[in-house]
Amino acid sequence: GAVVSQHPSWVICKSGTSVKIECRSLDFQATTMFWYRQFPKQSLMLMATSNEGSKATYEQGVEKDKFLINHASLTLSTLTVTSAHPEDSSFYICSASSIARGGELFFGEGSRLTVL
Amino acid sequence: AQTVTQSQPEMSVQEAETVTLSCTYDTSESDYYLFWYKQPPSRQMILVIRQEAYKQQNATENRFSVNFQKAAKSFSLKISDSQLGDAAMYFCAYSFNTGTASKLTFGTGTRLQVTL
Repeated sequence: GAVVSQHPSWVICKSGTSVKIECRSLDFQATTMFWYRQFPKQSLMLMATSNEGSKATYEQGVEKDKFLINHASLTLSTLTVTSAHPEDSSFYICSASSIARGGELFFGEGSRLTVL
Repeated sequence: AQTVTQSQPEMSVQEAETVTLSCTYDTSESDYYLFWYKQPPSRQMILVIRQEAYKQQNATENRFSVNFQKAAKSFSLKISDSQLGDAAMYFCAYSFNTGTASKLTFGTGTRLQVTL
């Protein structure tokens, strides 16, 4: 299957700092990428939908100024957690899709964020 | 809004036996897709099987098969000849349309234990 890579896989930061997480589609062009958040022992909650070259669409209750999403190319989307606080600690997962691949979704390995 | 319900937080099965994981969903749409994803301890989401709502035939993938009851809005996963490697969290998911990469709505998950 297609490969989607996330980096970093684990990051620890101090409260108040910003953290950037990258999501790359390695062997296909992703027209759409989705960002999910997963708390321990819970399900994945969609945060936002990112389309290449346009603004992300955020789900209700997700602060767009806090979770900045950029999808500048067909192979890269980034999620920046700004002014991180301990309650932002979570597992963040991206998924990428390509119309050329019938819209099938491919998931990244996830990024664990710990805010001290 | 679409919802996905998994009523079994945990299930256990002996190696080589068969287990069925339950999933119900609610939607007003007639054309949609249903999925079962596996999330092992590595946290990488892996697609197990998918079902198109317009298809009456239940999807199968080797040891994995589904029982799709559209009128009842039920979508259970049967794992035959369970193996130790099947131990993971299993998420049922719904998508309105994957032709253009629609977002997934996940259930709360079922943790499957496989015992010797």
